[in-house]
Amino acid sequence: DIQMTQSPSTLSASVGDRVTITCRASQSISSWLAWYQQKTGKAPKLLIYKASSLESGVPSRFSGSGSGTEFTLTISSLQPDDFATYYCQQYSTYSRIFGQGTKVEIK
Amino acid sequence: QVQLQESGPGLVKPSETLSLKCTVSGGSISGYYWSWIRQPPGKGLEWIGYIYYSGSTNYNPSLKSRVTMSVDTSKNQFSLRLRSVTAADTAVYYCARHNFSGAFDIWGLGTMVTVSA
Repeated sequence: DIQMTQSPSTLSASVGDRVTITCRASQSISSWLAWYQQKTGKAPKLLIYKASSLESGVPSRFSGSGSGTEFTLTISSLQPDDFATYYCQQYSTYSRIFGQGTKVEIK
Repeated sequence: QVQLQESGPGLVKPSETLSLKCTVSGGSISGYYWSWIRQPPGKGLEWIGYIYYSGSTNYNPSLKSRVTMSVDTSKNQFSLRLRSVTAADTAVYYCARHNFSGAFDIWGLGTMVTVSA
């Protein structure tokens, strides 16, 4: 099975910072990668699909890049509403495996 | 707009079967893939499996021996059954829709299931 590894596990940042989260796949998944945001007590929300496509209604400060085995989620200017946990997910194979999550905290 | 709602018992005894339903409103279940995902308290997301509206399924290998999913298109519902539960199955259970790409674009609010005697 493909394994997904996110880094860092926790990230401390300030409002206005540029934030980058990395997700690595144990084998190539082409561009079949999604990013989700989850706030405490809420369901995850789709941000990015197919590695770099912005889901409708998601602010343009979120962007995704990468292909193959290495992917990044970038928040260009962190806003108060962005403090949350972020998950990557591969859907290259029949399994839909998530990364372990990256918590973005207030510095 | 399409909404998903999970329903089922909030408490299940060890060794028994967890049964949940996901009701799709505001749209049709037909033409889409649908997944179940769970999240133990304080932990990350675990994909359980998916079902196509036609009834074909694919399960997480780590849960495959205990999971069955089914769909009822007449009721716009799909279901999850997880057999022989233990405390490790205590989690918030979510249902979600796959978009055309395969990512999960619509999620239910989630339902907490506790396994305890």
